[in-house]
Amino acid sequence: QKEVEQNSGPLSVPEGAIASLNCTYSDRGSQSFFWYRQYSGKSPELIMFIYSNGDKEDGRFTAQLNKASQYVSLLIRDSQPSDSATYLCAVNNNYQLIWGAGTKLIIKP
Amino acid sequence: DADVTQTPRNRITKTGKRIMLECSQTKGHDRMYWYRQDPGLGLRLIYYSFDVKDINKGEISDGYSVSRQAQAKFSLSLESAIPNQTALYFCATADGNQPQHFGDGTRLSIL
Repeated sequence: QKEVEQNSGPLSVPEGAIASLNCTYSDRGSQSFFWYRQYSGKSPELIMFIYSNGDKEDGRFTAQLNKASQYVSLLIRDSQPSDSATYLCAVNNNYQLIWGAGTKLIIKP
Repeated sequence: DADVTQTPRNRITKTGKRIMLECSQTKGHDRMYWYRQDPGLGLRLIYYSFDVKDINKGEISDGYSVSRQAQAKFSLSLESAIPNQTALYFCATADGNQPQHFGDGTRLSIL
């Protein structure tokens, strides 16, 4: 059973600080990794995707991938109250995405 | 995402009824997916389709069926609804192995 694991949280972070979200996956053959943001009752929205080991930055967001250790992380710099949401990690496996259950992030003003 | 449209947005129905949820997209993507999401749980794949002639079962296909009427349309049916199928249902599309894009969801309640 291929799995994607995330800490369910909630993760509480002060406004302006760095939020760090982590995800581990079981299938070493996975090639594509995605972070989605989901507000309560809304649809998932793509934040970042990463295919290669290392860091990928887009504005306040940085995705980090370490295939040897089978983890992918998302850093959110200068956290804002609007970043409060559930963050879903997804890993590509044989043309499907395997989803983590998500980490609930709360940014405290 | 307005490019992926799901209808209806909300539906309340009774046990044993047949229900169809519809998804249409203007993105021109070849791949379409149906997921369900239950409170506190991640997305679970029900069915997926890579083109009109290709339909595949996902993790939780029992009790569901699908139809890919055209590249742009992918419908999900519950032949005889039961209360534990109450959930939030999402349709998603993708261009090959590119990231998936989601519709706004259908909130389905079965009494």
